[in-house]
Amino acid sequence: KAGVTQTPRYLIKTRGQQVTLSCSPISGHRSVSWYQQTPGQGLQFLFEYFSETQRNKGNFPGRFSGRQFSNSRSEMNVSTLELGDSALYLCASSFDRDGTEAFFGQGTRLTVV
Amino acid sequence: ELKVEQNPLFLSMQEGKNYTIYCNYSTTSDRLYWYRQDPGKSLESLFVLLSNGAVKQEGRLMASLDTKARLSTLHITAAVHDLSATYFCAVDSSALRGGADGLTFGKGTHLIIQP
Repeated sequence: KAGVTQTPRYLIKTRGQQVTLSCSPISGHRSVSWYQQTPGQGLQFLFEYFSETQRNKGNFPGRFSGRQFSNSRSEMNVSTLELGDSALYLCASSFDRDGTEAFFGQGTRLTVV
Repeated sequence: ELKVEQNPLFLSMQEGKNYTIYCNYSTTSDRLYWYRQDPGKSLESLFVLLSNGAVKQEGRLMASLDTKARLSTLHITAAVHDLSATYFCAVDSSALRGGADGLTFGKGTHLIIQP
């Protein structure tokens, strides 16, 4: 059974650019959540999608956005990149939200220079 | 705002010893998760605790949940080097009357087990 797949694994971008990260959940899972991990702030919730609808959103500026497609694959976009956006971005997949286990992908390591 | 506090944040212990990691949270929730993260890797799900009094065990790790005390523990028995990693607890607040924070993580406990 394939796990959660995130692409790309590594990215280097310049300040002011934008970036799109992709997440393919486990087959049959309908919920996809995104998290940002940094040494200073730890793991922080970005947003959650279920059946192509954003259900929850964390406390991040509007530069961070996402979407989910009909096949449950999700993308997140960060516009006008800042140095502080450098982080490991993790995607989590679960069948549903009601206490079901969330499985994390390997993450995308974004470096903004 | 939900706060999740883990302690200790750093723990160095010897193989064969027992120890407990504590996870306190500030708001009512009956959904708590424990994850393990190895350096440079993603999060591996260890335990899902969904009710007061839940206890789960896998190998040398045992997790429990006391929702009244808002406390979860991860107990390590007879530690071995392979258990060296960072352990996170996470609380699900999204069920709390419209809570919208997804999983709120503790800062993690960096565990080093020395031979």
